[in-house]
Amino acid sequence: NAGVTQTPKFQVLKTGQSMTLQCAQDMNHNSMYWYRQDPGMGLRLIYYSASEGTTDKGEVPNGYNVSRLNKREFSLRLESAAPSQTSVYFCASYATGPYGYTFGSGTRLTVV
Amino acid sequence: SQQGEEDPQALSIQEGENATMNCSYKTSINNLQWYRQNSGRGLVHLILIRSNEREKHSGRLRVTLDTSKKSSSLLITASRAADTASYFCATRRGPSGNTPLVFGKGTRLSVIA
Repeated sequence: NAGVTQTPKFQVLKTGQSMTLQCAQDMNHNSMYWYRQDPGMGLRLIYYSASEGTTDKGEVPNGYNVSRLNKREFSLRLESAAPSQTSVYFCASYATGPYGYTFGSGTRLTVV
Repeated sequence: SQQGEEDPQALSIQEGENATMNCSYKTSINNLQWYRQNSGRGLVHLILIRSNEREKHSGRLRVTLDTSKKSSSLLITASRAADTASYFCATRRGPSGNTPLVFGKGTRLSVIA
């Protein structure tokens, strides 16, 4: 099925470890986004890529880096995980126009 | 910072009743969207209303937008148990990918059979 695929679905890290969350879409969308969702906080934007070759910071970028590898793939890296980064991470993509975002199913990350 | 704020935070109704959720936002927008999130899942886009529209329908969903009050409402008619989910409003200031959606904190809807 066409859509946004995120890997892994679950991950437990120790404080200080690093990891990369992967996201890929097969809808030929130009824009891709990383959000985190914490209880009672809704979704907050970490980074986004409006088009291939560009990335920009969102509301909560500290502690994260991103790479827009090609039009399909947009990865999120935690260089040195902290307990405050325990969250559910969602990737989304968007085609320019009066449309909504397509979301992946999320990565549930726990940092101990 | 959150652009949209949903109200109420939680809503519990009987199957067959109508459910109304409200969203207020702070700055001018290009469009406003509503999403549904089932427990443990990603968000699913429900409906988009442009800033020059006042009302929009999609199946059992009715969305209104009042730009003078910076508010929107989502009405779900004849609710079903399957409508149990969290509902989020999201606003966008411009039409392109350079203006990301800003989400509210959501309304948790429980529909009791």
